[in-house]
Amino acid sequence: GAGVSQSPSNKVTEKGKDVELRCDPISGHTALYWYRQSLGQGLEFLIYFQGNSAPDKSGLPSDRFSAERTGGSVSTLTIQRTQQEDSAVYLCASSRTRLAASTDTQYFGPGTRLTVL
Amino acid sequence: TQLLEQSPQFLSIQEGENLTVYCNSSSVFSSLQWYRQEPGEGPVLLVTVVTGGEVKKLKRLTFQFGDARKDSSLHITAAQTGDTGLYLCAGAHARRALTFGSGTRLQVQP
Repeated sequence: GAGVSQSPSNKVTEKGKDVELRCDPISGHTALYWYRQSLGQGLEFLIYFQGNSAPDKSGLPSDRFSAERTGGSVSTLTIQRTQQEDSAVYLCASSRTRLAASTDTQYFGPGTRLTVL
Repeated sequence: TQLLEQSPQFLSIQEGENLTVYCNSSSVFSSLQWYRQEPGEGPVLLVTVVTGGEVKKLKRLTFQFGDARKDSSLHITAAQTGDTGLYLCAGAHARRALTFGSGTRLQVQP
């Protein structure tokens, strides 16, 4: 595809419900990242996938958060038992090669705005 | 703990003015990137600086990486309304995720 796509663009849910957010990376990109961005703030790293290697989950804020990447392409971020503090924009990015190589470029999707009531 | 501090957090200026945004850290980075983000969109990479002391120019934007690779600045000359947006710096460590600053929101008034 032309760029990274994410769905849904907006998600409103009730506290305690589970949500799934989807990311379609750029075709051929081996690295995929999830970030969280609170209103007008910087990005908080959540999780990173690189090829068939074990994902780097060091940024996940709690065990309610998990992510999968099937077939090295599409990724799903799942938040269980959502809380109001989970409200944020969830951004996905992909890059061609390894994590944070000096000149590696991450291409971001438009994000999913999650609102937990 | 915020490893990358950006200043100012918010800046409102008139078209034609110059401005500088700073990105500071106590950590050394292998490279540093600057992104610009517009409402409803993901950040878009503007530049990557790799070498200490490096200066890169992108039209009216000048990026500098500190000699010790701990800090960086973004200078915009003769700002235009199209420069309005959230500017983010991000530091790279080998084999680790990017560390993003808290962002500088720039508003350029006509």
